[in-house]
This record gives sequence, structure tokens and C-alpha cells, in this order.
Amino acid sequence: DTEVTQTPKHLVMGMTNKKSLKCEQHMGHRAMYWYKQKAKKPPELMFVYSYEKLSINESVPSRFSPECPNSSLLNLHLHALQPEDSALYLCASSPGRLIQSDGYTFGSGTRLTVV
Amino acid sequence: KQEVTQIPAALSVPEGENLVLNCSFTDSAIYNLQWFRQDPGKGLTSLLLIQSSQREQTSGRLNASLDKSSGRSTLYIAASQPGDSATYLCAVRVGTSGSRLTFGEGTQLTVNP
Repeated sequence: DTEVTQTPKHLVMGMTNKKSLKCEQHMGHRAMYWYKQKAKKPPELMFVYSYEKLSINESVPSRFSPECPNSSLLNLHLHALQPEDSALYLCASSPGRLIQSDGYTFGSGTRLTVV
Repeated sequence: KQEVTQIPAALSVPEGENLVLNCSFTDSAIYNLQWFRQDPGKGLTSLLLIQSSQREQTSGRLNASLDKSSGRSTLYIAASQPGDSATYLCAVRVGTSGSRLTFGEGTQLTVNP
């Protein structure tokens, strides 16, 4: 299995809703990432988990809450979002061992619309 | 701070042309460089990965080169096809433990039949 699987593919939520995005990989990768991508822009890093521990938070608002329950799963919990948070949310993984210097594998993304 | 620039921002070519996409980065202290393809509204598909010690990588009609000392990479696409139409993103791996990818703004490629 060489894929990163993201669910759901599309999500519409109100500003008072709570929802979660899910990401799963079975490649044995030990680093997982959340990126946010607005239209016509490159992806922007949000969070990095390394060996199931949060190692980077790019000053993301607290209405986004990441969770890494185990080495294969990564969640992004959403609460009280704003319309400007509408974007494509991408999950990625990498081996996490720089000796190999392997590349990143991205999922197909969740298209989030906040109404 | 690492900055990545891609030129051109957009490119439209007739089918069958060979073409070159350019990527430059400001800090040569990179772990590797990766070229991605992104179709509208979709995720990123990895095309080629070049380690910092390598000069080039090839996959089918694609060839990517890396000149770390000058901070440049090129993606060469041979005999372009309409199915190659997409946005191409260049990204360099940097930071403590190589934990960051810094992306360029991308080149939007259209190949006309």
C-alpha cells in the first residue's frame, strides 16, 4: 500500500459545527503532516507529527486541533471555523528517517467549505 | 528563510512540444527536491525526487535536474500530451530534521491538442 487516504473528500460545515478530517497511511511512515491549500496557491504547512508526537505547529488557530492516535492515523478536529478557513486540506506522510531522505506522499485532500 | 520561485507561472503549448519548467531556491542547504503534479481540486502526485547529492532523475518522459550550488532545478517534459495539463509544483525539503517542504507557486501547464 503506497497511498495516503483522506476522508471525507468533501465537507460542508456551519460555523458552529464540530467535524473531523481523517488521514490514514499503511506505509510505515513515522512523520505525518497537515497542509492547507487555498485556490491558486501552494500548500501551507499547518502541523507536523513525528513518531506520534506533535513537533511543529505553524501558529495555527486553536479552532484547528490535530491528533495522532497511532502511527497510521492522523486527525484534524475542527470547531467554530470561519468562512475564510474554506480550503483544500491535504495530509502527507514521509518515512521520518532522514538517512533515507525519502520524499513525501500526499493524499487527495478534503475540500472544506465553511458556511 | 528559504524561498522557492517557479518560472513561468503559466505555459500553453501545442501537443508534441518538448518543454522546460524552472525552479530556483535561495538556500542551497536542502535535503532533497521533489516535483509534484496537481490536477484542479486534487491532491499532489509525486513525479520525481532528487536527493541533494544527485544531479538528475528520470521517469518516462520526465527528467529533472538539480544544481544545488546555483540553487536551480529544471523539469523537462518530452513530447507533451494534453494529459500533461496540470499545475507543476517544485518543493525543497529543509529545516531541522528535514521536517519542512517549501513550495514554489507552481507552473500551470496547458497542452493543446
